[in-house]
Amino acid sequence: DIQMTQSPSSLSASVGDRVTITCRASQTISNYLNWYQQSPGKAPKLLIYAASRVESGVPSRFSGSGSGTEFSLTISSLQPEDFATYYCQQSYTPPRVTFGGGTKIEIK
Amino acid sequence: QVQLVQSGAEVKKPGSSVKVSCKASGITFNMYGFNWLRQAPEQGLEWMGRIIPSVGLEKYAQKFQGRVKITADTSTTTTYMELSSLTSDDTAIYYCARTSCIEGICYFHYWGQGTLVTVSS
Repeated sequence: DIQMTQSPSSLSASVGDRVTITCRASQTISNYLNWYQQSPGKAPKLLIYAASRVESGVPSRFSGSGSGTEFSLTISSLQPEDFATYYCQQSYTPPRVTFGGGTKIEIK
Repeated sequence: QVQLVQSGAEVKKPGSSVKVSCKASGITFNMYGFNWLRQAPEQGLEWMGRIIPSVGLEKYAQKFQGRVKITADTSTTTTYMELSSLTSDDTAIYYCARTSCIEGICYFHYWGQGTLVTVSS
């Protein structure tokens, strides 16, 4: 199985901060990388697919980049509703996909 | 509007089985994969398996092979996940999610609300 490693596992930030989360794959996965946001008590929500394509309806402050084994999710200006846990997921070996361990963004 | 509505919370004894349902509306049911994933308390997401309703093609994660069965009823646009030989390690929120794909890259586009399964003696 392809292992996905996210860093950091958690971070504290303030409203308005620029935040970047990193996801590393154990082998090359081209751009077969998706990002999800999970708010407490809610199901995950798709943010980014194919590494950099923003899902319809997702605010423009969210962006994704990367290819191969290194990927990142950036929130350009953190808003109160963005305090949540974020997961990366590889879809290089469908349907047997794997997720990163998650990054929890907390209020500083 | 797209909806995946799952059945309610369950409490099960160790060694028993649980069957969770997921009814889809507002989306194409037959052509795409319907997946089941789970999330143990304070843990990450884990893919369990998938079915393509139009052909009944099932695939499972090796970890759950032989213990999970995913089925689909195209007449009611409902998919089911049955997990047997439950232990306390199976206590988790179980999600259904429908796949979408673009240019060969697939992602979990639509999600159910989740079903809490608690395994306790």
